[in-house]
Amino acid sequence: GENVEQHPSTLSVQEGDSAVIKCTYSDSASNYFPWYKQELGKRPQLIIDIRSNVGEKKDQRIAVTLNKTAKHFSLHITETQPEDSAVYFCAALQEGTYKYIFGTGTRLKVLA
Amino acid sequence: DADVTQTPRNRITKTGKRIMLECSQTKGHDRMYWYRQDPGLGLRLIYYSFDVKDINKGEISDGYSVSRQAQAKFSLSLESAIPNQTALYFCATSEWTGSSYNEQFFGPGTRLTVL
Repeated sequence: GENVEQHPSTLSVQEGDSAVIKCTYSDSASNYFPWYKQELGKRPQLIIDIRSNVGEKKDQRIAVTLNKTAKHFSLHITETQPEDSAVYFCAALQEGTYKYIFGTGTRLKVLA
Repeated sequence: DADVTQTPRNRITKTGKRIMLECSQTKGHDRMYWYRQDPGLGLRLIYYSFDVKDINKGEISDGYSVSRQAQAKFSLSLESAIPNQTALYFCATSEWTGSSYNEQFFGPGTRLTVL
């Protein structure tokens, strides 16, 4: 069935360093790829998204890249800060069924 | 502010009991979803609905049922709760604008414990 693989499951970085989280999707019909941040005890919230007709999108310290041929997309966080510590989820929206398939999450820890 | 709300926020119940989790939204969105979150497994889709007359099973619908009472309300029921349904449950909404997909907005979650 449809699947989104996310790596790594945990990631520790020093404050100020960059963090990269990678996802691979299986359904080539997927055309919308959001990233959500979930702080401890809170609900997931969208931080950035990308559509299949775009290869890269940036929003301040956050960027997402998409490689449709390889069915990969990645989240890049630069100049990490302690408040970036959270669980991050990638997702892929299937065209046709309009189901969002989520990755298993990455726990990011930014060490001060 | 328009929002997605869930009741109850926490619930402890016993095996075999019937439980209903409720979700309401004031965003005016047509699409509503129920997910469960387990450590290390991410968010898994239970059921989703595109309008009052449209209900679809997700990847883990066994043991669950839903009701879309109105555009703004989507309830999840566990007919006979079992311990492995202990999880954090999220409701979410999204809007189809006719030309593009949009983000999902999540409720605050319901933590369910089945003893």
